[in-house]
Amino acid sequence: GENVEQHPSTLSVQEGDSAVIKCTYSDSASNYFPWYKQELGKGPQLIIDIRSNVGEKKDQRIAVTLNKTAKHFSLHITETQPEDSAVYFCAALSNYKLTFGKGTLLTVNP
Amino acid sequence: GAVVSQHPSRVICKSGTSVKIECRSLDFQATTMFWYRQFPKQSLMLMATSNEGSKATYEQGVEKDKFLINHASLTLSTLTVTSAHPEDSSFYICSLRWAAYNEQFFGPGTRLTVL
Repeated sequence: GENVEQHPSTLSVQEGDSAVIKCTYSDSASNYFPWYKQELGKGPQLIIDIRSNVGEKKDQRIAVTLNKTAKHFSLHITETQPEDSAVYFCAALSNYKLTFGKGTLLTVNP
Repeated sequence: GAVVSQHPSRVICKSGTSVKIECRSLDFQATTMFWYRQFPKQSLMLMATSNEGSKATYEQGVEKDKFLINHASLTLSTLTVTSAHPEDSSFYICSLRWAAYNEQFFGPGTRLTVL
């Protein structure tokens, strides 16, 4: 089955700096890669996604890149704000199932 | 995105009792819903896929007789934890997939504590 590795497990940045989270996947058949933000005690919230026929997608301060050859995709958050602090999960869709990375705890220091 | 609700948001029960968690799709009909379990500081683990009008498909290692899933309508799926034990204490989250686009939306979760 699919295996998703996510790094780093924790990330601390100063407000206004950029944050980058990276994931790799194993199943070349995976074709959809969403990113979720989870705040403490809440369910995951879809923040951005990318499909296998696209290399990059941007939505305001958030961007995702996908390298199908290398089987990795990354989340980029620019101009970070304290409210960006949360756990971020990457995921890959294979055989109609989402497999999640282990998560990255992002802390944005004011 | 789709709006998903869960009820209750948190529940405390005694060991040996059963607990039912409801997952509702509020703004579109979902033929497929998913149930996940998340232990503290860990990732989401898929427990089962709930299909409207048919039996759920359980992931390896998940006891189907312990975690009963009923997807009786296009807007409601329920998860019943039977004979709950302290090790069943966890955060249970449902989700549904917007099949046309693959997006998967999650409910707010249910915190189960078994004493």
